[in-house]
Amino acid sequence: GEDVEQSLFLSVREGDSSVINCTYTDSSSTYLYWYKQEPGAGLQLLTYIFSNMDMKQDQRLTVLLNKKDKHLSLRIADTQTGDSAIYFCAESYTGTASKLTFGTGTRLQVTL
Amino acid sequence: EAQVTQNPRYLITVTGKKLTVTCSQNMNHEYMSWYRQDPGLGLRQIYYSMNVEVTDKGDVPEGYKVSRKEKRNFPLILESPSPNQTSLYFCASSLYRAGTGELFFGEGSRLTVL
Repeated sequence: GEDVEQSLFLSVREGDSSVINCTYTDSSSTYLYWYKQEPGAGLQLLTYIFSNMDMKQDQRLTVLLNKKDKHLSLRIADTQTGDSAIYFCAESYTGTASKLTFGTGTRLQVTL
Repeated sequence: EAQVTQNPRYLITVTGKKLTVTCSQNMNHEYMSWYRQDPGLGLRQIYYSMNVEVTDKGDVPEGYKVSRKEKRNFPLILESPSPNQTSLYFCASSLYRAGTGELFFGEGSRLTVL
């Protein structure tokens, strides 16, 4: 079955860039997502990328996809304390919610 | 305001005492789903529903039941809770349409079974 892996923890200093990595096993994944979970809240969709794209940029966020290595990354530029959260990578081969497989989540801690 | 509402947010119960966690969405979404979140395991799907009267098992359905009698509601039922069901539970909903993949989550229900 599908498997999505992430490192559990990342600590960065305010103002630095953060890079959160994700690897997935399903080569038929066509949609890849990043969700953010703030403390005490549910998950919210941050951004997504189609498998025919290598990169997507949205303000401070840059998503890079290496389909050959099945590797997805989320770069946050100028990281702020408000970016402290758990970030989940998710993949789907249909693009529909029922077939989403989530990673284990990476907790990002931003220090002053 | 578009939202997914879960209740209760926090619950402490004892082994074997039946409980229900309610979930309601006001976005007219066809798809609804329940997840549990455990440290180091991420989100695991319990049950999902693609429309009224249509439900299906996710990855970890044992010990849970669901029903979907109305489009907006999708309650999670624990008939005989056990301590291994202590977890943080999330309800989510979505338009069931290819390319969206966007799930809207409730704020979570933290359940402790003693």
